[in-house]
Amino acid sequence: ELKVEQNPLFLSMQEGKNYTIYCNYSTTSDRLYWYRQDPGKSLESLFVLLSNGAVKQEGRLMASLDTKARLSTLHITAAVHDLSATYFCAVDIEEYGNKLVFGAGTILRVKS
Amino acid sequence: DSGVTQTPKHLITATGQRVTLRCSPRSGDLSVYWYQQSLDQGLQFLIQYYNGEERAKGNILERFSAQQFPDLHSELNLSSLELGDSALYFCASSFTGERYNEQFFGPGTRLTVL
Repeated sequence: ELKVEQNPLFLSMQEGKNYTIYCNYSTTSDRLYWYRQDPGKSLESLFVLLSNGAVKQEGRLMASLDTKARLSTLHITAAVHDLSATYFCAVDIEEYGNKLVFGAGTILRVKS
Repeated sequence: DSGVTQTPKHLITATGQRVTLRCSPRSGDLSVYWYQQSLDQGLQFLIQYYNGEERAKGNILERFSAQQFPDLHSELNLSSLELGDSALYFCASSFTGERYNEQFFGPGTRLTVL
């Protein structure tokens, strides 16, 4: 069974600081997604990582994928309050069809 | 706004009842997915349809069923509802349903079973 683990599950950080969220998964995959969810809202797609070594950046967020280590990271640079949300990574692999298997999510709180 | 619409936004009902959740995919998308989000189980895949046909099944209870209609909208039917079915139900859509298609999520339907 494919397992996706995120850590930390909760992150409280000061504005202006840097931090990294980690996403480990248990089976080989070359496709990983990062989503953002605000409280009571839908999931917003942040990044789609297509292959080993893929790196994508949008504003203060940068995501990377290492398929050999089965690890993706979401790096936050100089955090601002607006980044407060829950961040999910999700993986899909061929034997599971098209479904996404999500991590538990990381709740990020950026304090002013 | 992802372009995926879901109705209703909120639903409050009693145990033992039956409800229907509706989803319209983004224009041009052929595949629809249903996910359940709850505090104890997290985000879980329920079922996927592609162009009217069931494509993949996840942890969907026998009390739950779904279908995709010729106009590509989908309905998720939940019956004999239990307290534990209270959750946020998301619909997502993608173009072809193949592995390398990004899924776009609707706003969700919050179901409360009393």
